[in-house]
Amino acid sequence: GQSLEQPSEVTAVEGAIVQINCTYQTSGFYGLSWYQQHDGGAPTFLSYNGLDGLEETGRFSSFLSRSDSYGYLLLQELQMKDSASYFCAVRIGDAGKSTFGDGTTLTVKP
Amino acid sequence: GAVVSQHPSWVICKSGTSVKIECRSLDFQATTMFWYRQFPKQSLMLMATSNEGSKATYEQGVEKDKFLINHASLTLSTLTVTSAHPEDSSFYICSASPTGQGNQPQHFGDGTRLSIL
Repeated sequence: GQSLEQPSEVTAVEGAIVQINCTYQTSGFYGLSWYQQHDGGAPTFLSYNGLDGLEETGRFSSFLSRSDSYGYLLLQELQMKDSASYFCAVRIGDAGKSTFGDGTTLTVKP
Repeated sequence: GAVVSQHPSWVICKSGTSVKIECRSLDFQATTMFWYRQFPKQSLMLMATSNEGSKATYEQGVEKDKFLINHASLTLSTLTVTSAHPEDSSFYICSASPTGQGNQPQHFGDGTRLSIL
């Protein structure tokens, strides 16, 4: 089976930098994805790492170390609108099947 | 970009009713689609993998006779919650990526909020 661990809650102030860690145990690992979900909405894709290293997309970056079964999402220049739940998800196989972590609730304060 | 449309957005119905939810890929073909369920303040739980032209693959603990999945075309998968009861009330979400591009991001529909009275 698969298991993922990420912090349940994180709080930061506007303009700060936040790192959300994700560790996983799985078989058939294909990649690690990150999604953002606002209350009442559907998940939206943020970033994906299929290989070790850092992927940067604007204010968001994601890192993966397959040997450590570890990844993180880095959010820079935090804005109030970044307050949301963030999920890491391991992709199993090449058809896109994913297992999600329990999510991290990020609260950005003024 | 790739768009996944899910319909309806909200359903409120009486216990015992069967409810059908549609998931369409609007500008791409998807051999495989995925159905998730999410309870309030919880994570997305994969229910089943919908395979075009063949039977769906259900995750452990998901009743296949309760949650009927049909993937009759490359752009449409349907999930029918049969004889729904209050405990089936949840947020149901589908996802898909273009055929042959499973390494690309999964695109999610906007979800369906199901409330069974």
